[in-house]
Amino acid sequence: QKEVEQNSGPLSVPEGAIASLNCTYSDRGSQSFFWYRQYSGKSPELIMSIYSNGDKEDGRFTAQLNKASQYVSLLIRDSQPSDSATYLCAVTRNTPLVFGKGTRLSVIA
Amino acid sequence: EAGVTQFPSHSVIEKGQTVTLRCDPISGHDNLYWYRRVMGKEIKFLLHFVKESKQDESGMPNNRFLAERTGGTYSTLKVQPAELEDSGVYFCASSQGLGPSYNEQFFGPGTRLTVL
Repeated sequence: QKEVEQNSGPLSVPEGAIASLNCTYSDRGSQSFFWYRQYSGKSPELIMSIYSNGDKEDGRFTAQLNKASQYVSLLIRDSQPSDSATYLCAVTRNTPLVFGKGTRLSVIA
Repeated sequence: EAGVTQFPSHSVIEKGQTVTLRCDPISGHDNLYWYRRVMGKEIKFLLHFVKESKQDESGMPNNRFLAERTGGTYSTLKVQPAELEDSGVYFCASSQGLGPSYNEQFFGPGTRLTVL
């Protein structure tokens, strides 16, 4: 059984639209939740962290966490072609991150 | 502030050879992690150092892998002898380990290892 599940995509959205990326996890004891963005051939870049239920906003990004449903999501408002990348969900109880396979996002100009 | 750096960026070796990967964490970060991504799979944890001590090495696949962090600064990961299934991208990450964002881990560019 996979520990962190993400739809692999590709998820295609038009420029200016809202992109919605979803992630579910199996470990109910998870405490910290992260979204990383990875461009092809580059390192994963931390873009959002969330630790408690609810929404957390940072610029065009909003992370949403629902621990009861074991669900975390990332919304990207006003999507730009430069947002085209693979988005990795990572979850942890303490320190080793457990990653999903990632969702490939394509923003069409 | 310099990010996490890794060397080499690519390595192509033959089965049975030895390869050593290096990671330099962000200055001041006590926590250093090694992860690996095998093609088609998710990134998976290998081990975690706090300063020079191995905090968690539960993800190390077998005793062909040896990680060190002498002096609590940079780390090396040696694979000896390399097997075909060791091919993948090896990422290093570091975190400060303090405050509310103690576990925010910052990744290096990775070393792409190909074993022929």
